Amino acid sequence: QVQLQASGPGLVRPSETLSLTCTVSGGSISSDYWSWIRQPPGRGLEWIGYVYHSGSTSYNPSLTSRATISVDPSKIQFSLRLTSVTAADTAVYYCARSYYNVLTGYYNANWFDPWGHGTLVTVSS
Amino acid sequence: IVLTQSPATLSLSPGERATLSCRASQSVSRYLAWYQQKPGQAPRLLIYDTSNRAAGIPARFSGSGSGTDFTLTISSLEPEDFAVYYCQQRSNWPPNTFGQGTKLEIK
Repeated sequence: QVQLQASGPGLVRPSETLSLTCTVSGGSISSDYWSWIRQPPGRGLEWIGYVYHSGSTSYNPSLTSRATISVDPSKIQFSLRLTSVTAADTAVYYCARSYYNVLTGYYNANWFDPWGHGTLVTVSS
Repeated sequence: IVLTQSPATLSLSPGERATLSCRASQSVSRYLAWYQQKPGQAPRLLIYDTSNRAAGIPARFSGSGSGTDFTLTISSLEPEDFAVYYCQQRSNWPPNTFGQGTKLEIK
């Protein structure tokens, strides 16, 4: 069973770059789409973007100028970089895999499951 | 596409039927999903493509709707069902967008 775990610094200074890594266990990263999704404290969910195992990407237009998602199959990891952060980027950041139903063979890049335990990133000086 | 969920909070007792609503600002066809999030946990996919239960999801969860109006129904609430529920659309992406959530609390 695939499991994901996000990790990275819990505190980032304003104007600096947020960098997070998601480590995948129990499966291969050399297939599927891999997403980052965030949740500001007490608020709803925002899709940041995803990377395909080949390296192609898609981003939320609101973040496309600042976000970069990449994949490292050799380390079974994928990563998020978000530049020029502000307090508005304070959130719990989740990594997730695109949904695949092993019983039916159904697959879609834009449904998300499973998710990893999130990591809280605070932007503050 | 903006997804608006109602009510913001729903107070019910175990054994009761829960009906949660999600309305889209424009048609998303049937490309809508529901997630459950418990405190301190990541969301979990319940329903995709309006009415298909994800693997391992109990039959008491069902989804319906099309176009702009969608419903998640929990037929008989179990204690573990009290959580926050989010809808999400994939019809017009990027970006995938989520609703603001409905908190289902114990009455």
